Amino acid sequence: GAVVSQHPSWVICKSGTSVKIECRSLDFQATTMFWYRQFPKQSLMLMATSNEGSKATYEQGVEKDKFLINHASLTLSTLTVTSAHPEDSSFYICSAISRRVSQDEQFFGPGTRLTVL
Amino acid sequence: AQTVTQSQPEMSVQEAETVTLSCTYDTSESDYYLFWYKQPPSRQMILVIRQEAYKQQNATENRFSVNFQKAAKSFSLKISDSQLGDAAMYFCAYRSARPSGSRLTFGEGTQLTVNP
Repeated sequence: GAVVSQHPSWVICKSGTSVKIECRSLDFQATTMFWYRQFPKQSLMLMATSNEGSKATYEQGVEKDKFLINHASLTLSTLTVTSAHPEDSSFYICSAISRRVSQDEQFFGPGTRLTVL
Repeated sequence: AQTVTQSQPEMSVQEAETVTLSCTYDTSESDYYLFWYKQPPSRQMILVIRQEAYKQQNATENRFSVNFQKAAKSFSLKISDSQLGDAAMYFCAYRSARPSGSRLTFGEGTQLTVNP
């Protein structure tokens, strides 16, 4: 149980285009989802926290107009990178929590590698 | 704000030997959770072990154990009988126990190499 999926697992796009990444909790309802960004050989940096049905809370320095997050249901959150540029190339990871499943554990998706040409 | 520090960017260990990864953290809270996550080359984050701050007993999961020193704000991970599959990046993480404090704060990570 407690499986989180991400789609796509990797994507290559041209500079200036927008890319949508999906994060799904497959066997539980996620009350909260998180989006992280990870550069090679670095740690995970929290970008934003989203609760179902409400606006995402972005971390300082993260442009909310650049990284659009939608948590439309208890099993799906999406991250849209708008007008992507090469510096947006990174590994994006989502995670989810459910109070019914565990009080303290985040369940992580497998990540999405974004390459912007 | 809470911070987590891993002072060992890289560590190596011989197969079957024991290795200890260090982690220190800073917080003003008295109740919180600490975690060690493993990130193998696949990049999938895997929970290795967790510790509740209110528990004095150190957590243990098979070959993995922690040394939790609350007063010193130290949380080290010991891997016994190291296996080739243990090679990965290891992250120490902190989470507040407050109901609104579900976010994780990660350390910089330690890259563990296991030599055959």
